[in-house]
Amino acid sequence: NAGVTQTPKFQVLKTGQSMTLQCAQDMNHNSMYWYRQDPGMGLRLIYYSASEGTTDKGEVPNGYNVSRLNKREFSLRLESAAPSQTSVYFCASSDRDRGFYTFGSGTRLTVV
Amino acid sequence: DAKTTQPNSMESNEEEPVHLPCNHSTISGTDYIHWYRQLPSQGPEYVIHGLTSNVNNRMASLAIAEDRKSSTLILHRATLRDAAVYYCIPVSGTYKYIFGTGTRLKVLA
Repeated sequence: NAGVTQTPKFQVLKTGQSMTLQCAQDMNHNSMYWYRQDPGMGLRLIYYSASEGTTDKGEVPNGYNVSRLNKREFSLRLESAAPSQTSVYFCASSDRDRGFYTFGSGTRLTVV
Repeated sequence: DAKTTQPNSMESNEEEPVHLPCNHSTISGTDYIHWYRQLPSQGPEYVIHGLTSNVNNRMASLAIAEDRKSSTLILHRATLRDAAVYYCIPVSGTYKYIFGTGTRLKVLA
């Protein structure tokens, strides 16, 4: 099925460990996004990539890095995980001509 | 970025219409109004969007005020599956969504 695929679905990290969250879309969308959602809160934008080869900071970029590997893939890296980064992470993509986002099912990350 | 105000929560009886309001008084003239919903333990999903006139699709209707400072998402017959958090999002040309806290809709059987 066409859509946005995120891996892994669940992850537990120790404070200070690093990891990369993977996201891939097969809809030929130009733009891709990473959001985090803390319990009971709305989504907050971490980074986005308007097109292949470009990335920009969102509302809460500190502690994260991103890579737009190609048009399909957009990864989010935590270099040194902290308990404050415990959250659910959502990747999304959009086709500007269609005007709406497609979200992945999320990665639930716990940092202990 | 335009800010939005939505009720924290609303309740509806099953098979009755639901009107979910959103205030976006700082919206610019070219911002679209998008609505998304998030079912429990899932990512948000697109519901509907519009610019100036009312819009309908198979999921819902969107009524936009003439001054564009508010809009209302209308679910014509709520079902238990419609229980979710509903987000109203003004979208500028950058297509960079800024989510608020949304409205949690509870549907009573």
